Amino acid sequence: ILNVEQSPQSLHVQEGDSTNFTCSFPSSNFYALHWYRWETAKSPEALFVMTLNGDEKKKGRISATLNTKEGYSYLYIKGSQPEDSATYLCAPGSARQLTFGSGTQLTVLP
Amino acid sequence: NAGVTQTPKFQVLKTGQSMTLQCAQDMNHNSMYWYRQDPGMGLRLIYYSASEGTTDKGEVPNGYNVSRLNKREFSLRLESAAPSQTSVYFCASSVWDSYNEQFFGPGTRLTVL
Repeated sequence: ILNVEQSPQSLHVQEGDSTNFTCSFPSSNFYALHWYRWETAKSPEALFVMTLNGDEKKKGRISATLNTKEGYSYLYIKGSQPEDSATYLCAPGSARQLTFGSGTQLTVLP
Repeated sequence: NAGVTQTPKFQVLKTGQSMTLQCAQDMNHNSMYWYRQDPGMGLRLIYYSASEGTTDKGEVPNGYNVSRLNKREFSLRLESAAPSQTSVYFCASSVWDSYNEQFFGPGTRLTVL
C-alpha cells in the first residue's frame, strides 16, 4: 500500500485567485500518476494521467506537473472560478491498482 | 452510453443483514473495481477484477465478497453487515492498459444500523 499525501487538506480562495496543491508519493517503483476532480454529489472524473518525469499536462485553466525522482506532483488552477470548487484527488498506481490520496478540498468564493 | 451504473443508490441495513451491490459498465472495459469512501480517508480499494473470471483483494477486503458475473457486471456482497461498513461505495472500470484511467459510477450510500 503506497503512502500518498495531499496538501493542503482544504483551502478557500477568492474568485480570480490562482492556486496550487501538492501530491507526494513514494518515488520508487513509480508507474503513473493520476489526478481526479470530484464534485460534491457526483463521481470522481479523471483530469490527467502522467507517466514521465518532467511531464506537464494542461486542460483549460488547470495544469499539472510531475517529478518522479522526488515523488511529487503539483496541480495548478489559474484564475479560479466557483465551478472549480471540488475535491482534487491524486492517485499513483500501476496497471493493476491506484492508491488514492485523501484529496484537497477547494472552495472558490465568488 | 450509460458508462458505469450502480444499484441501489441508497440502502439502510440492520446489523447482520446481507445485501449485494450491483455494478455494470457498457464501455467494454476489462477491469472493474470496488472502492469505499469514508470521511478523511479518500477512496480505498476493496476488491478488483482485472478481467472476466479473476478477482483480487485490495486494501480493505474483510467483510466483503465479489463476483465478476461477466465482462459487464461486477457485484459486491456484504454477508453480515456491520456498522463499520457504513460508507459510500463506488464502482469503477478501466481498460487494462498501462494508464489504468478509471471511470466511476455514481455511488451507493449504505448505512448499517
